[in-house]
Amino acid sequence: AQSVTQLDSQVPVFEEAPVELRCNYSSSVSVYLFWYVQYPNQGLQLLLKYLSGSTLVKGINGFEAEFNKSQTSFHLRKPSVHISDTAEYFCAVSAYAGNNRKLIWGLGTSLAVNP
Amino acid sequence: SQTIHQWPATLVQPVGSPLSLECTVEGTSNPNLYWYRQAAGRGLQLLFYSVGIGQISSEVPQNLSASRPQDRQFILSSKKLLLSDSGFYLCACLTWGGELFFGEGSRLTVL
Repeated sequence: AQSVTQLDSQVPVFEEAPVELRCNYSSSVSVYLFWYVQYPNQGLQLLLKYLSGSTLVKGINGFEAEFNKSQTSFHLRKPSVHISDTAEYFCAVSAYAGNNRKLIWGLGTSLAVNP
Repeated sequence: SQTIHQWPATLVQPVGSPLSLECTVEGTSNPNLYWYRQAAGRGLQLLFYSVGIGQISSEVPQNLSASRPQDRQFILSSKKLLLSDSGFYLCACLTWGGELFFGEGSRLTVL
């Protein structure tokens, strides 16, 4: 079965430090990959997506992610985080299940940026 | 670009009472629409999706139902709420770019 694993449920980091949020997926067919951010009591906002082309994807708020097909990973990175980056981050994979594309979600990673 | 309005934003209801959460989409036509639930400490659970008026697909058996009376209106309902229905409910539409665009959510507390 297809699945998405976010390897860290919580990531504490100091302000201005780099951060990597890890995401691995299992799928044997072509995938689309997404990272979303959710601030408290708000909906989800798209950070970035990979559909095809360059495996290094740049998104909003200084985030980027790299699609690694051989390792089935799509890790999210930011070289220097701000307090305002404190939020929940979700990785999602769109893959075919039968004749339809299904969106499969990770359980989220809570990023806490401390001063 | 699209906009999604969800209301009410917050709701506290007693067990056994009915529920109606509304979602209205602007800026697009004939969208694929979705209802997700987010329980505390858990990820996103797809409840229903709709590809058009009157067309509803249910992902999990539960105490809830959905309807799509108009192209850009998606309603989540229950006749009798359970404690386990508490959560954060999110409406979303599929964009031309292939990603989901979410509303601001409705937080339901069942007491």
